[in-house]
Order: sequence, then C-alpha cells, then structure tokens
Amino acid sequence: EPEVTQTPSHQVTQMGQEVILRCVPISNHLYFYWYRQILGQKVEFLVSFYNNEISEKSEIFDDQFSVERPDGSNFTLKIRSTKLEDSAMYFCASREWTGNQPQHFGDGTRLSIL
Amino acid sequence: GESVGLHLPTLSVQEGDNSIINCAYSNSASDYFIWYKQESGKGPQFIIDIRSNMDKRQGQRVTVLLNKTVKHLSLQIAATQPGDSAVYFCAENGEDSGYALNFGKGTSLLVTP
Repeated sequence: EPEVTQTPSHQVTQMGQEVILRCVPISNHLYFYWYRQILGQKVEFLVSFYNNEISEKSEIFDDQFSVERPDGSNFTLKIRSTKLEDSAMYFCASREWTGNQPQHFGDGTRLSIL
Repeated sequence: GESVGLHLPTLSVQEGDNSIINCAYSNSASDYFIWYKQESGKGPQFIIDIRSNMDKRQGQRVTVLLNKTVKHLSLQIAATQPGDSAVYFCAENGEDSGYALNFGKGTSLLVTP
C-alpha cells in the first residue's frame, strides 16, 4: 500500500538554526499538508499546498516557516530560525484530489530544539 | 471558538468487548468527519470517514455514527483486540476550514486481556 514517507525521523537542532523537514507524498496525490503535534497535545494544522502554491495556512505558520515542492516527489517544510517552542512532531499528509477525501499521514519527524 | 473535542481522555476495555469512543464538534458547517488511530511513534492512520449526508457508516469491525442534531460523532469498535490499543482522534473539515483538518484532543484506548 502506498504511503507518505518522512525524513529524518528525529532532528536535533540548536535554537536559531534553520531546519528542513522532508516528505515524499503518495505519488498520485495532488494536495499536501503539514501538521504539528506538541507532546501530549492534539494535532494542529500548519499549511496546505496545491498546484505549487500555498492554499491555506494557520496562525502558527508565520514568516519563519516556508514550504516547497522542489521536484515531482518531495515536499519540504523549512523553519528559518528555530525557537524552543518549535519542538514537536511534524507530520506530512497528502490527499488524492479535491473534495472530501481522507488525508494520509506519514510517521512524522520529531524536532528537538536545544 | 469553533472546536472539536472528545468526551473521555482514556478508555479501558477488556479484549473481546466492544468499544465506543465519542467526539463532540461545534462547527455546524462541518461536512466531513474522519477517525484516525495513532500508535506510539507513528502518524495518524486513517480508519473510517463519514460525510454529513450520512448518519452511519460501517467498515471492518468499525462503525461511525454521526448525529448532526447534537453535533456528536462516535466510533464503535467491535470485538476489541490488543492491537486496537492506541490514541483515537476525530477530525473534521468543513466550509470554514477549507480542507485543513481540525483534530480533537484524542482518546487513549487501552485493551486489557
């Protein structure tokens, strides 16, 4: 069964450093998402991406965040200058087409900011 | 504000029993609901979904019930197995949120032998 893959599984970064989290969505999917989950809390939406542009973003997704689809298979989340409060699990998800379809999630990247 | 929430943070059931996990939502514009299962160290795994024009949908050992009158969603797991132990999240999206999912806080299901 096709799946969303994320790398790395765990990223440790010094505060203030840039970090890039990588995702390979399911190959025939058109809509891509990033979510985060702070330890013990619910999953929170960050951003959605379609047709090479951001279609929706939350208040969390400020100027320090950016997303990119550099080629036909990868989808990345960049945090420009990390803060302690960016420590969380970051999940990538993808969806096949528009309308009410389930989003399929990867297993996440645990980001630890020191 | 608009929210999706769960009634119980933890649920303990015996193997073989049926489990019911509940979820309340407040956004009347929500038109699509999903249940996800999250095991330790894993991402949310799709279980079952339901659209607002339905009140019941069945899958393999799972049933989702939707009561739009009281804005309530439930997940029923038949003959619960140890492998069902996980955190279960309901999520919704509707007109107000585009297609971004709004997750509830999660219910931890523990299946004891």
